[in-house]
Amino acid sequence: AQTVTQSQPEMSVQEAETVTLSCTYDTSESDYYLFWYKQPPSRQMILVIRQEAYKQQNATENRFSVNFQKAAKSFSLKISDSQLGDAAMYFCAYRSYDNYGQNFVFGPGTRLSVLP
Amino acid sequence: DVKVTQSSRYLVKRTGEKVFLECVQDMDHENMFWYRQDPGLGLRLIYFSYDVKMKEKGDIPEGYSVSREKKERFSLILESASTNQTSMYLCASSFYNEAFFGQGTRLTVV
Repeated sequence: AQTVTQSQPEMSVQEAETVTLSCTYDTSESDYYLFWYKQPPSRQMILVIRQEAYKQQNATENRFSVNFQKAAKSFSLKISDSQLGDAAMYFCAYRSYDNYGQNFVFGPGTRLSVLP
Repeated sequence: DVKVTQSSRYLVKRTGEKVFLECVQDMDHENMFWYRQDPGLGLRLIYFSYDVKMKEKGDIPEGYSVSREKKERFSLILESASTNQTSMYLCASSFYNEAFFGQGTRLTVV
């Protein structure tokens, strides 16, 4: 079974600075997806960024980028130019490439605070 | 936009009651999920369904059951609510490479 670990329960960053959230996972599969989801105080889970394991290029979405190290099974999220609206719980998640009957496996989350 | 709607945002129930949490999605997704979210534990899968009338147990199915009679609707049932089922419940639907979530139901069992 796959597992996802986030070793930082809480992080804080100064507004406009850069922060990196860590995630490691364990799998024996070669094809899979990795995700970062954001859950603000409103509780609505929002997809931040997605990485397909077969793509070597790291995914980027505006101020959000990932460092995907497949061999090390590491998937960190970098937030540049942090904004107050980035304050939220961030969950790293894994999903097998095969859509049929596959669920998403989530890590325990990292609570990010953004200091003005 | 994909919409996943959970029937209640907040719910308070008494110990021993039968509780129904409803979830509806409007994008014809085959896969639907129920997760439980607790601090420090992340999201834990209770049940998921990959087709109408099909269900699979997740990591913590004890004390719960599910129903999926129509593709768009996935219900979570607490047969006899207990205080240790006080939690946040999140429903999601997915197609391949993204999960879409409802707004969550915070259930308190007293």
